[in-house]
Amino acid sequence: GAVVSQHPSWVICKSGTSVKIECRSLDFQATTMFWYRQFPKQSLMLMATSNEGSKATYEQGVEKDKFLINHASLTLSTLTVTSAHPEDSSFYICSARDSREGLYEQYFGPGTRLTVT
Amino acid sequence: GQNIDQPTEMTATEGAIVQINCTYQTSGFNGLFWYQQHAGEAPTFLSYNVLDGLEEKGRFSSFLSRSKGYSYLLLKELQMKDSASYLCAVLDSNYQLIWGAGTKLIIKP
Repeated sequence: GAVVSQHPSWVICKSGTSVKIECRSLDFQATTMFWYRQFPKQSLMLMATSNEGSKATYEQGVEKDKFLINHASLTLSTLTVTSAHPEDSSFYICSARDSREGLYEQYFGPGTRLTVT
Repeated sequence: GQNIDQPTEMTATEGAIVQINCTYQTSGFNGLFWYQQHAGEAPTFLSYNVLDGLEEKGRFSSFLSRSKGYSYLLLKELQMKDSASYLCAVLDSNYQLIWGAGTKLIIKP
């Protein structure tokens, strides 16, 4: 089956620093990748849709200058949380959609737990 | 607006059957997904329905009625490991996934 990896699985950083999270599709090409955030006991919240070779599309209320997304290849997207603050502490999950026509299932990475101190 | 409704929480007994309902109102429809999410983990794919009817996959089955904007996930022979949140998501006319808030299923011995 399709596998998506995410790195790191957890990270602790100090307030004001930046953190980069990588999302890779291991055995398929993904034109589109998605970044979600999930706070404890809450539903998934889509942050942005990342398209290979073009700018990401951010959801309303998500600061694009704070959450930098790069989708440089068909198998890699990165999310950089810049100048992180404690309120950015959350579970960040990426998903990838197979590029082949007619396939719309999203395959999820294992998630990255970010704690900002 | 787009809306997906599912119960917040359900409780069932080990070995029993439980049905989790999902109703939706979206701009277009290109299929409905069910995902399972254990606490602290990412969602995992369970099923995809695009045509009306029942899709069976082992202990799990998913049903869709497009005319009613309704789906359900049926879990049989419940096991303790089935305790998780179950997320309903609809692929809209733009092929974007619209997510429900999830149903937390609690299994009791």
